[in-house]
Amino acid sequence: AQSVTQPDIHITVSEGASLELRCNYSYGATPYLFWYVQSPGQGLQLLLKYFSGDTLVQGIKGFEAEFKRSQSSFNLRKPSVHWSDAAEYFCAVAAPSNFGNEKLTFGTGTRLTIIP
Amino acid sequence: DSGVTQTPKHLITATGQRVTLRCSPRSGDLSVYWYQQSLDQGLQFLIQYYNGEERAKGNILERFSAQQFPDLHSELNLSSLELGDSALYFCASSVAKGGGNYNEQFFGPGTRLTVL
Repeated sequence: AQSVTQPDIHITVSEGASLELRCNYSYGATPYLFWYVQSPGQGLQLLLKYFSGDTLVQGIKGFEAEFKRSQSSFNLRKPSVHWSDAAEYFCAVAAPSNFGNEKLTFGTGTRLTIIP
Repeated sequence: DSGVTQTPKHLITATGQRVTLRCSPRSGDLSVYWYQQSLDQGLQFLIQYYNGEERAKGNILERFSAQQFPDLHSELNLSSLELGDSALYFCASSVAKGGGNYNEQFFGPGTRLTVL
């Protein structure tokens, strides 16, 4: 069974500074990888996804993530954060299958606080 | 707005009671997923339905059941409620076309259940 580890429970970053959120996964092969964002009182919004190919993927809101097979990691980055980026971020994996729509397994989340 | 609707937004009830949460998927989506987000368990997959049939089961308690109706809306029934069932329950939907292609899951805003 697949699992996801987000080692940072809470990160505080100054507005305009760069951001990196860590994600490590455990799975026998390369899973499908995702980052979701959850703003207070809101549902989950997909930031970006990795299925195969180029290991650097671009997402919405200026986010990007890099898949590193050797480290079983899929870290999320943003060069310059905005106050509106304050939210909870979840890394998730899904096991590829012929059906193509398997369940998502989520990490525990990283809460991002932005200070002026 | 993801196009997935969930009702009610909030639900407060007592231990031992039974409640029903409702989800309407995006137009054209055949697959519905239920997830539970709680402080101690995090975000975890409960169950998936595809075109009216159960497709996959996760960590869903025997006290919980779900179904997907011919119009593709889904209901999650929670019975003999306990304090620990207090959580945010998300529904997600996807086209789930299969053929090895992963189709994005779109999340609803969730139903917050409080058991007193």
